[in-house]
Amino acid sequence: GQSLEQPSEVTAVEGAIVQINCTYQTSGFYGLSWYQQHDGGAPTFLSYNGLDGLEETGRFSSFLSRSDSYGYLLLQELQMKDSASYFCAVRDSNYQLIWGAGTKLIIKP
Amino acid sequence: NAGVTQTPKFQVLKTGQSMTLQCAQDMNHNSMYWYRQDPGMGLRLIYYSASEGTTDKGEVPNGYNVSRLNKREFSLRLESAAPSQTSVYFCASSASPPGLHEQYFGPGTRLTVT
Repeated sequence: GQSLEQPSEVTAVEGAIVQINCTYQTSGFYGLSWYQQHDGGAPTFLSYNGLDGLEETGRFSSFLSRSDSYGYLLLQELQMKDSASYFCAVRDSNYQLIWGAGTKLIIKP
Repeated sequence: NAGVTQTPKFQVLKTGQSMTLQCAQDMNHNSMYWYRQDPGMGLRLIYYSASEGTTDKGEVPNGYNVSRLNKREFSLRLESAAPSQTSVYFCASSASPPGLHEQYFGPGTRLTVT
C-alpha cells in the first residue's frame, strides 16, 4: 500500500529551529511537497523537492533523499504564527497527491 | 483575484439527503480536485479532473459524483448522504499536469450528516 509517515506532534520554543520528518512508500515517486494548514483554514503550499538535496525559501527549507524515501521540513527562527499543522505529500504514478496525516507544530513562548 | 471559491461554507444534512458542493477557480488552471479531510488525518482525494471534459476517481470515490462544468467550475455531488461522509471538503486547482504543480485550495465546506 501507499503510506507517508510523519510525527503527529512536535513542540518547540519561539526563535528555535525545528525539523519535521517524512518517510514515504508509494507506487511511483514524482516529488515531495510540503503544505501548511492553520486550524480551520485551507492548506497552503510551502515547498517542493523533485530532486535530492535542499531547497530554501526564507525561513523554511526542505530536504529530500530519494534513496532513503525520506524528506524533512526545517523551520528556522520560529514565530508564534508558525503554529499550524504541516503535511508532506507525494505525487505518485497516477498523478495523484498522497498525503501524510500531518504534524501539529506547537510553539511555546 | 478570488482564487478558489467554494459554496456553501457549512451544511447539515440528514441521512439520505442529497446536495451539491460548488467550486470555481479564476486562475485559468486546467486541473481541479476534490478532497475530504477527517479529524487528525491528511487529505484524501475523492475525484480529480485533469482538464475540462475529463474526470477520474481518486482514493475514496464511493458515494460521490463529480461534474467538470467548464474550465472554471468543478462540482461534487452526494446522492444519498451518510454519516460517514461527515467531513471537511476542500476543492483545489493547479496547472497541468495534475499532481505535479502547486495546488491552490478553497476555504472548505464543513459538512455534517446526522
